[in-house]
Amino acid sequence: AQTVTQSQPEMSVQEAETVTLSCTYDTSESDYYLFWYKQPPSRQMILVIRQEAYKQQNATENRFSVNFQKAAKSFSLKISDSQLGDAAMYFCAYRRLETSGSRLTFGEGTQLTVNP
Amino acid sequence: DTAVSQTPKYLVTQMGNDKSIKCEQNLGHDTMYWYKQDSKKFLKIMFSYNNKELIINETVPNRFSPKSPDKAHLNLHINSLELGDSAVYFCASSLSAGTDTQYFGPGTRLTVL
Repeated sequence: AQTVTQSQPEMSVQEAETVTLSCTYDTSESDYYLFWYKQPPSRQMILVIRQEAYKQQNATENRFSVNFQKAAKSFSLKISDSQLGDAAMYFCAYRRLETSGSRLTFGEGTQLTVNP
Repeated sequence: DTAVSQTPKYLVTQMGNDKSIKCEQNLGHDTMYWYKQDSKKFLKIMFSYNNKELIINETVPNRFSPKSPDKAHLNLHINSLELGDSAVYFCASSLSAGTDTQYFGPGTRLTVL
């Protein structure tokens, strides 16, 4: 079974600084998808970024980028120029590449605090 | 405009009651999901339906019964509620059952007293 591990329960960053959240996963599959979701205090789960395992290029979305290391099974999220609105719980998630029954397996989450 | 909506957002009830949570998506997606987020914020899949057909059924007590009247709706009915059922329940949808991104509803916080 696939597992996802986020080893940092809490992180903090100063506004305008850069922070990196760690995620590792375990799988025997070669094709899969990885995601970062953000959950602010409003509770809404918001997709931050998505990475296809077959793509060597790291995904980026504005201030958010990932460092995808397939051999090491590592998928970290870098947030540049941190803003107060980035404060949230961040979840790393894995999904197998399959035609049916494709579930997300989540990590335990990292609570990010942004200090003004 | 809401893509995935859930009702109610909050549900407080007594042990032993039966309750339902409704989910609707207006994205034209074929696949819908129920996830449970426990008190430690851990999220886990419960069920998934694709075109009204059950495709994922995790190890969940049979007091939980999903129902999909059409592919835009996936409801969750819970019988004989227990204290341990207190959690946030998220509905999600994706274009298909395979490789597409899942979009989440706002969650329903269920409190069982």
